[in-house]
Amino acid sequence: AQSVTQPDIHITVSEGASLELRCNYSYGATPYLFWYVQSPGQGLQLLLKYFSGDTLVQGIKGFEAEFKRSQSSFNLRKPSVHWSDAAEYFCAVVLYGGATNKLIFGTGTLLAVQP
Amino acid sequence: ETGVTQSPTHLIKTRGQQVTLRCSSQSGHNTVSWYQQALGQGPQFIFQYYREEENGRGNFPPRFSGLQFPNYSSELNVNALELDDSALYLCASSLVTSGGGELFFGEGSRLTVL
Repeated sequence: AQSVTQPDIHITVSEGASLELRCNYSYGATPYLFWYVQSPGQGLQLLLKYFSGDTLVQGIKGFEAEFKRSQSSFNLRKPSVHWSDAAEYFCAVVLYGGATNKLIFGTGTLLAVQP
Repeated sequence: ETGVTQSPTHLIKTRGQQVTLRCSSQSGHNTVSWYQQALGQGPQFIFQYYREEENGRGNFPPRFSGLQFPNYSSELNVNALELDDSALYLCASSLVTSGGGELFFGEGSRLTVL
């Protein structure tokens, strides 16, 4: 069965420091991969997505992610974190060629930013 | 263009009751999905609607049902509420039914079952 693992439940970084959030997926086919962010009391906002092509994907708010098929990973990065980046981040995968847009989400990583 | 809107934002029910949650799709979107997000968990797919018919369902019992209307708005109905149904219910709309189309999420309806 398809699954997504986010090994880090909670991460704290200092403002201005770099960030990497880990995501591993278990999938038997070519996945479509996504990163979403959820601020308190808000819905999910798409940061970036990978369908095919260049394995380094640029997203909104200065985020990027790299797809590594050999490691079944899709880690999210940002070179310099801002206090407003404090939120929960979800990695998700969708079945390529499936009949629906069913997203399978990881359990999320809660990011705290220290001043 | 208007985004995805959900109502109510918060509600409290008691075990055994029934609840209806509502969702208005983003303008021009014809597909609606519903997700359940329990505390500390990622969202779980409940079902998807296209052209007023359910065209995909997750691992949820039949007491979870839905509707999609001609204007693409949608309802999620849950009968015989259980304590474990307490969660944030997210609605998402999209332009396509599959192929990894981008989902646009509403802010959710937080349901508490006592």
